[in-house]
Parts: sequence; structure tokens; C-alpha cells
Amino acid sequence: AQSVTQLGSHVSVSEGALVLLRCNYSSSVPPYLFWYVQYPNQGLQLLLKYTSAATLVKGINGFEAEFKKSETSFHLTKPSAHMSDAAEYFCAVSDSGAGSYQLTFGKGTKLSVIP
Amino acid sequence: GAGVSQSPSNKVTEKGKDVELRCDPISGHTALYWYRQRLGQGLEFLIYFQGNSAPDKSGLPSDRFSAERTGESVSTLTIQRTQQEDSAVYLCASSRGTPGNTIYFGEGSWLTVV
Repeated sequence: AQSVTQLGSHVSVSEGALVLLRCNYSSSVPPYLFWYVQYPNQGLQLLLKYTSAATLVKGINGFEAEFKKSETSFHLTKPSAHMSDAAEYFCAVSDSGAGSYQLTFGKGTKLSVIP
Repeated sequence: GAGVSQSPSNKVTEKGKDVELRCDPISGHTALYWYRQRLGQGLEFLIYFQGNSAPDKSGLPSDRFSAERTGESVSTLTIQRTQQEDSAVYLCASSRGTPGNTIYFGEGSWLTVV
């Protein structure tokens, strides 16, 4: 069984500051890992994904994430926060083996950006 | 279509009534997923379709919930005898159905049971 833990249900940063959203996963097989963003009253939009190629993955809107197998982590970062980054962020894991390929999500982290 | 389309976008229903939620996936996507998102919570997996069959129904919370898919396209999620705890956003998603493929989400159907 796979699972995802997102540390911190709420994170606040100042505009221009570093954004760091933490994600740890548990999977019995090599995982595929995803970060999605959800703006208020909207569906989920893919930010980036890791599928066993480069361990540092670059996504949209200046976000990136690094897969660290030894730490079972896939933390999301952005060097400089913008007001438009305020949203909820979800980390998700998918089984790379045979299966339903459905995503198991973390509980989400709500990011606030302070002017 | 260009994206995953869901209808209705909003539904208010009385407790005990049945509701049907519709999902139109991206054209050519063989995999289709239903998730539930309760207010302030994460996403809860309900069911997965590959083509018209559902190899994984493990997330359906009770026998009041059912889903079908026809023509490897449109899917309908049906909730019978709705309860207040069914109030949530129901999100549909689709993908090409192979490992690592991006799963694309619709805007969701907001269900309120009063």
C-alpha cells in the first residue's frame, strides 16, 4: 500500500521568500510522484511529476521538486513566492507496478503569501 | 473535448434523494477516475475505470454509491438515498491509462445534501 504525508496543513511565507512544501511518501515499489495545485473553487492542475528520469523535476510557475529515495521525500520548492501562488498544494503517489495507477493524495498544504 | 468536463457543476438535493453526476473525459483517455473531496480535506479515491470495466472499486464508501462507464467515454456516478455526509466535491479525472501518465482533473461537481 502506498501513502503520502504532507507536513504542515498551512504554510505562510512573505512575498519574495522561499517556498518549501514538504512531502514524504511510502511505496513498496518505485513510485511515480506528482504535485498538483488547486486554486479556490477550481479543479486540480498538475505542477510537475517524477517518473524515474531526472531526480530534480522542474514544473510550471517556477516550481521544482527533488526526488530523494534515501529520504522517501519529494519536497516542492520555489525560490521566490508570488501572491498568485496562494493556493492549496497536493502531493500524490502512483504505483509504477501493475495496478490501477490511481493516485494516492496527501491531505494538502494551504499556502498563504503575505504581501 | 479539450479537458475533462463534469456536470452538474453544482447540485443541491434533499436527503434521501438519488443523484447522478456525469463525467466526460478527454478524448482518447482510456482510464477514468472518480475522487471525493470533502470540505477542508484531501482527495479520497472512489473508483477507477480502464475502458468500460472497473478493476478497482475499493474506494466506494457504501453500496449506495455506484458508477458506470459506457463507450469507453462518459461515466456516471450515482449516489442513492443521499445523506448529509455525502456533501462534497466529486472530482472526475482521466488519463491515457499507463503508468506515470498525467491524470487530468475536471472542475468538479459540488454536491450539497440538505
